[in-house]
Amino acid sequence: GQQLNQSPQSMFIQEGEDVSMNCTSSSIFNTWLWYKQDPGEGPVLLIALYKAGELTSNGRLTAQFGITRKDSFLNISASIPSDVGIYFCAGPDANTGTASKLTFGTGTRLQVTL
Amino acid sequence: NAGVTQTPKFRILKIGQSMTLQCAQDMNHNYMYWYRQDPGMGLKLIYYSVGAGITDKGEVPNGYNVSRSTTEDFPLRLELAAPSQTSVYFCASSYGGLNNEQFFGPGTRLTVL
Repeated sequence: GQQLNQSPQSMFIQEGEDVSMNCTSSSIFNTWLWYKQDPGEGPVLLIALYKAGELTSNGRLTAQFGITRKDSFLNISASIPSDVGIYFCAGPDANTGTASKLTFGTGTRLQVTL
Repeated sequence: NAGVTQTPKFRILKIGQSMTLQCAQDMNHNYMYWYRQDPGMGLKLIYYSVGAGITDKGEVPNGYNVSRSTTEDFPLRLELAAPSQTSVYFCASSYGGLNNEQFFGPGTRLTVL
């Protein structure tokens, strides 16, 4: 099946710094979704991307749908302590022919120090 | 809207016991999903449903069963619990079709001893 590789696996940053993470796929995606999971909670949708080259912002978060359609990027500007969590990328499993099932990446764990 | 709700929040089972994890959504979503998340890992799809009366296997269906008698509810059944089923279980829902945006419940943390 498809694999989504996220990097970095984890990162420690200082409050106020900008953060960049990415997700790459072994095959073409038509949709990229970015989720955040707080400790002990379910994932929450942050940004959805539906078009190659699309750049979408949600507050301090900006995500881009890569031109090759095999990657996506998430940036967080001026990080704050509540940005701590695990960030997952996800996309529909094209191998099954349905747009409804998602494949999730392995996650990027973000920790913010004061 | 309450969104996606799951019960119970925590449960400890003995090997061989059975239980049902409940999931309900009030967003009138057609599609519903069950995932498991092992420590430090991503989400793996167990079963999904595209509408009442229709279910299908995901990536890791062995040891589980589901039913979808209404649009709102999608329970997950464990018949003979095994230690390998110790995990956090998440239910999600979406409109489906071209809209892939899935909304998740808070999860059920299950331990099998």
